[in-house]
Amino acid sequence: DIQMTQSPSTLSASIGDRVTITCRASQTINNQLAWYQQKPGKAPKLLIYKASTLESGVPSRFSGSGSGTEFTLTISSLQPEDFATYYCQQCESYSTFGGGTKVEIK
Amino acid sequence: QLQLQESGPGLVKPSETLSLTCSVSGGSIKNINYYWGWIRQSPGKELEWIGSVYYSGSTNLKTSLKSRVSISVDTSKNHFSLNLNSVSASDTAIYYCARHRGYSGTPFDYWGQGILVTVSS
Repeated sequence: DIQMTQSPSTLSASIGDRVTITCRASQTINNQLAWYQQKPGKAPKLLIYKASTLESGVPSRFSGSGSGTEFTLTISSLQPEDFATYYCQQCESYSTFGGGTKVEIK
Repeated sequence: QLQLQESGPGLVKPSETLSLTCSVSGGSIKNINYYWGWIRQSPGKELEWIGSVYYSGSTNLKTSLKSRVSISVDTSKNHFSLNLNSVSASDTAIYYCARHRGYSGTPFDYWGQGILVTVSS
């Protein structure tokens, strides 16, 4: 099975900060990488798929990049509603999620 | 607007079978463009894909769970179901049903609200 490793596991940031989360795959997954946002008590919400394609309705401050085994999610200017946990998911071979990155208020 | 809703018992005894149903509204489960899946999340833990099903009944299952899992679809009721047998405390989790964006190798774009299932005697 393909393993997905996210870093950091927790990130403290302030409103307006630029935030970057990294996801590494144990083998190449081409661009079959998605990012989700999850808030407490809620289901995950799809933000980005195919590494860099923004899901409809997702604010443009979210962006994704990478290919092969290394991927990043960037929030260009952190907003109050962005404090949440973020997960990556590989879709190249069945499906595996990363361990999550919790974005906290600094 | 597509909606998914999980249903089933919230408490299952160890060694018994966990059975959940995902009811789909606002769209047809027979849509040839989509697969449907089950994902779970243990308390405070990461997400784990369990398996996915096509309206034809074709399934893809997580290798480590394959011996205990079955997923089926009932197009007449517009729902799909999960059975997980021989459960233990480690199967305690929130179980989500979701729709793939397309074939089974795509991410999930619509999710149910989730249902907490506790395995305990």
